[in-house]
Amino acid sequence: KAGVTQTPRYLIKTRGQQVTLSCSPISGHRSVSWYQQTPGQGLQFLFEYFSETQRNKGNFPGRFSGRQFSNSRSEMNVSTLELGDSALYLCASSFWDSPSEQYFGPGTRLTVT
Amino acid sequence: AQSVTQLGSHVSVSEGALVLLRCNYSSSVPPYLFWYVQYPNQGLQLLLKYTSAATLVKGINGFEAEFKKSETSFHLTKPSAHMSDAAEYFCAVSATGNQFYFGTGTSLTVIP
Repeated sequence: KAGVTQTPRYLIKTRGQQVTLSCSPISGHRSVSWYQQTPGQGLQFLFEYFSETQRNKGNFPGRFSGRQFSNSRSEMNVSTLELGDSALYLCASSFWDSPSEQYFGPGTRLTVT
Repeated sequence: AQSVTQLGSHVSVSEGALVLLRCNYSSSVPPYLFWYVQYPNQGLQLLLKYTSAATLVKGINGFEAEFKKSETSFHLTKPSAHMSDAAEYFCAVSATGNQFYFGTGTSLTVIP
């Protein structure tokens, strides 16, 4: 079974631009979560989608948004990029809607210059 | 609210020695607890999980963890370290949905 895939793997953007990251979960998984990983803040929860509905949201500004499609694929968008948005963005998928093991993708490395 | 604290951001052990990585959790409800490992430039890989079945949980690569409610701990151990165990290890807690709270991570170095 194919794992979680994320595209693109690497991205360089300029301050003020916007970016869209994509995540394809494991086949059959309906929950997709997004995390931001930085050396200073560690792994921080952004949001989770289950069956196209955002169920949980972390403490991030409104510039960070996401959505999930009917095939469970998910996208996250960051508008008006700031230097501090440089990070590894990880996507994880789960089968159940209750706490269960999450399977992580390799991440998208975003660099904002 | 849920949170985890990983004591020791860096741990060094000799090859063949015991590995002990510490994790303490805080949860207002019975928690689900997880240990993940991350190798450089990769995503996180699940090592093991606790979901209230057995307090001693065995995972992959010879790792295991014991849930101790009285100590609110979920420490990760491995009897004999191998060079390939060098990586970053994360403890995580979840109580509802799939919102996970991760610790700050422990970087494990294995000395030959």
